[in-house]
Amino acid sequence: AQKITQTQPGMFVQEKEAVTLDCTYDTSDPSYGLFWYKQPSSGEMIFLIYQGSYDQQNATEGRYSLNFQKARKSANLVISASQLGDSAMYFCAIARAGGTSYGKLTFGQGTILTVHP
Amino acid sequence: DADVTQTPRNRITKTGKRIMLECSQTKGHDRMYWYRQDPGLGLRLIYYSFDVKDINKGEISDGYSVSRQAQAKFSLSLESAIPNQTALYFCATSDRTGTAGKETQYFGPGTRLLVL
Repeated sequence: AQKITQTQPGMFVQEKEAVTLDCTYDTSDPSYGLFWYKQPSSGEMIFLIYQGSYDQQNATEGRYSLNFQKARKSANLVISASQLGDSAMYFCAIARAGGTSYGKLTFGQGTILTVHP
Repeated sequence: DADVTQTPRNRITKTGKRIMLECSQTKGHDRMYWYRQDPGLGLRLIYYSFDVKDINKGEISDGYSVSRQAQAKFSLSLESAIPNQTALYFCATSDRTGTAGKETQYFGPGTRLLVL
């Protein structure tokens, strides 16, 4: 079974500062993918960034980057230059990359990020 | 127009009623999923379908059933609704990209369901 742990129920950051949202995972699969999603107060789920377990480099997408430490089983999301619109719930998720159930996502409980002006 | 649509967006029903939530997608993806989200929890998988003839139970399928009417349509039914099925329901789709584990899921806007 796969598991995602997000230990920060809530985080606060000043506008224009960087913030790191923690995510640790547990899996016995040798190959997997890690995803981050953003859920604003309006409720929709927005895909942010993906990291493959065999990717040599940390993923980046604009102001989002992923600090992937495979040995520690962590995949922390870094948001640079925070904006007020970044205030939302953020979910980390994992998908196995093999077997009959590959592609299914297992989510963490989420971290609420609040950006202060 | 949105790629993944869900109807209705909001629904109030009574205990014991049968209801159906519908999902349609124009992304051309083979795979579709139904999740529920409860306050303070992440999303949990109810059912998933990798193609029209392949439907599988997720971690919390009890009390739910699904129908994949076509590649683009995946419906979730609550046969006899109960109050603890009050939640936010999401439909999602993904495409087999050929890169194992990189099947990014794209979500619909969600359906807020209240069971009285």
